Amino acid sequence: DAKTTQPPSMDCAEGRAANLPCNHSTISGNEYVYWYRQIHSQGPQYIIHGLKNNETNEMASLIITEDRKSSTLILPHATLRDTAVYYCIVRRNSGGSNYKLTFGKGTLLTVNP
Amino acid sequence: DSGVTQTPKHLITATGQRVTLRCSPRSGDLSVYWYQQSLDQGLQFLIQYYNGEERAKGNILERFSAQQFPDLHSELNLSSLELGDSALYFCASSVADSGGAIGANEQFFGPGTRLTVL
Repeated sequence: DAKTTQPPSMDCAEGRAANLPCNHSTISGNEYVYWYRQIHSQGPQYIIHGLKNNETNEMASLIITEDRKSSTLILPHATLRDTAVYYCIVRRNSGGSNYKLTFGKGTLLTVNP
Repeated sequence: DSGVTQTPKHLITATGQRVTLRCSPRSGDLSVYWYQQSLDQGLQFLIQYYNGEERAKGNILERFSAQQFPDLHSELNLSSLELGDSALYFCASSVADSGGAIGANEQFFGPGTRLTVL
């Protein structure tokens, strides 16, 4: 699976959009971009994933560049409860059942009042 | 609530001992994954089971073993415990059908078991 690079920490004001970047310059054609987050010592929580097109769900939006070498997770209206470590993970979704996640250090997002 | 349950929530034991951590996956999920999170190593994949069979191994020590039972719950056994085994242990589950369809590969994590080895 491709390696990802994320800033170690970011701050965001409550109510503003939080834009979390991720570089994955060695991503291959069959690899998806996944985002998870972990609120202090809780189990990681799935947020969103995508391949080429931008994706949106009730939690966030995922913007993937055309060359797929980077992506941005957008939390449109950050709240204090969004303070967490956000992990960007690149992984194949090929047939079979080996879907392990390889977590890096992630980005600690702190939402300030 | 992810639908994945883990017991116990906390476990305190002594070096050299053996413990068993238990995980019940979400209803309908066939795959179970175990992860270890320590302060120095971060979140690391240990092992995966799919419908009762071992499917993938990560950085799992030989002192650790796991199994998945016919009712799909899983147990992680840690033996000859050392101080360095103190960590959060997470279980996750997914549908993981063989077609690899989008949406079938999300992993849902349990609340974890915090193991402290004294």
